[in-house]
Amino acid sequence: DQQVKQNSPSLSVQEGRISILNCDYTNSMFDYFLWYKKYPAEGPTFLISISSIKDKNEDGRFTVFLNKSAKHLSLHIVPSQPGDSAVYFCAASSISSGSARQLTFGSGTQLTVLP
Amino acid sequence: KAGVTQTPRYLIKTRGQQVTLSCSPISGHRSVSWYQQTPGQGLQFLFEYFSETQRNKGNFPGRFSGRQFSNSRSEMNVSTLELGDSALYLCASSLAEVGEQYFGPGTRLTVT
Repeated sequence: DQQVKQNSPSLSVQEGRISILNCDYTNSMFDYFLWYKKYPAEGPTFLISISSIKDKNEDGRFTVFLNKSAKHLSLHIVPSQPGDSAVYFCAASSISSGSARQLTFGSGTQLTVLP
Repeated sequence: KAGVTQTPRYLIKTRGQQVTLSCSPISGHRSVSWYQQTPGQGLQFLFEYFSETQRNKGNFPGRFSGRQFSNSRSEMNVSTLELGDSALYLCASSLAEVGEQYFGPGTRLTVT
């Protein structure tokens, strides 16, 4: 069973507009969430994270929102740039159960930013 | 500071053989985790080592094993290779108990 789901395999946005990537999870033990970006032939690159004690975390153009009751998180990129084109993975772990470094990944969303 | 390095970058093996992959974490990082990425199953957690001890293990058969040395470098071994073991194997290191993991470029294993 997929405990972390990214239901949109792909997303296209215009340069300068907002990109919104979504992620849902089913395991209520997850309390730490991360977003990674991945280019072909490279390992994932960390973007931003959020703990379940928060509902929002911001870092430059990237903001992650967490809705615990809906078990949903989203990544907003504003403004989107062509260099943001990559596969974005949502990941989750459980600090409370001692598995902070055991990441469960979603299937990824291919973001394409059109110039 | 140098990033996570993995060797070799590419590997071709035959069914039934065994393989050893190597990972050097970022200097000062004591935790090393391994992941397998395949088109069908996505990114899946294999195991995690901290101070030479396996802390967590994913749902993989016993053919997959690993170890960590006193300098935090880690190796993973796959015995009796199967075609389905063809994948990108990623290593990640982290400094703290909670926080981001930094990934290496991966080793692309092809089993024929």
